[in-house]
Amino acid sequence: KNQVEQSPQSLIILEGKNCTLQCNYTVSPFSNLRWYKQDTGRGPVSLTIMTFSENTKSNGRYTATLDADTKQSSLHITASQLSDSASYICVVRGTGSARQLTFGSGTQLTVLP
Amino acid sequence: DTEVTQTPKHLVMGMTNKKSLKCEQHMGHRAMYWYKQKAKKPPELMFVYSYEKLSINESVPSRFSPECPNSSLLNLHLHALQPEDSALYLCASRLGGADNEQFFGPGTRLTVL
Repeated sequence: KNQVEQSPQSLIILEGKNCTLQCNYTVSPFSNLRWYKQDTGRGPVSLTIMTFSENTKSNGRYTATLDADTKQSSLHITASQLSDSASYICVVRGTGSARQLTFGSGTQLTVLP
Repeated sequence: DTEVTQTPKHLVMGMTNKKSLKCEQHMGHRAMYWYKQKAKKPPELMFVYSYEKLSINESVPSRFSPECPNSSLLNLHLHALQPEDSALYLCASRLGGADNEQFFGPGTRLTVL
């Protein structure tokens, strides 16, 4: 069964600190992995997309990594801001019979002043 | 226009009502999706309308019915809903191709009394 597991479930950090969110998946065959940011009551917004051959990708203060061999990804947030408070969802797309998106349960990040 | 719009933003309805949720995009995307998202849970795929073909998640009850009047619009008709159907309903669209991003709308917050 295709699954995406995220950790931690929730995280509280102080403004200005860095943090790293984890995503492990079993989706196979693998096509790509996206990290989405979802503000409360809003739709998810894509931060990064990683394909099989990519190890690292940055988008401003967000840096995603992918290890396709171990089926693990991480999202690192640098110098956190209050506006980073949101749910971060890891979404994996497979190919063939696994081509639909498989969503993780998300990590709820709270940044405190 | 690079966004997916959804109306209404909020909807409160009784169990005997009939209502519709509307989703619109003008990005020329050929695939549109409806998701249901409960609090602190990932979105669950309900329907996919891709290249004029409808795919249904078999677990979705028949009180939800999608309608695609044209390639820019995807409606979700609601009838005889239950209180457990209260959730955030997200619409998304995608250009096509495995690596293309799904763009999500802001969602409709539905409450069934």
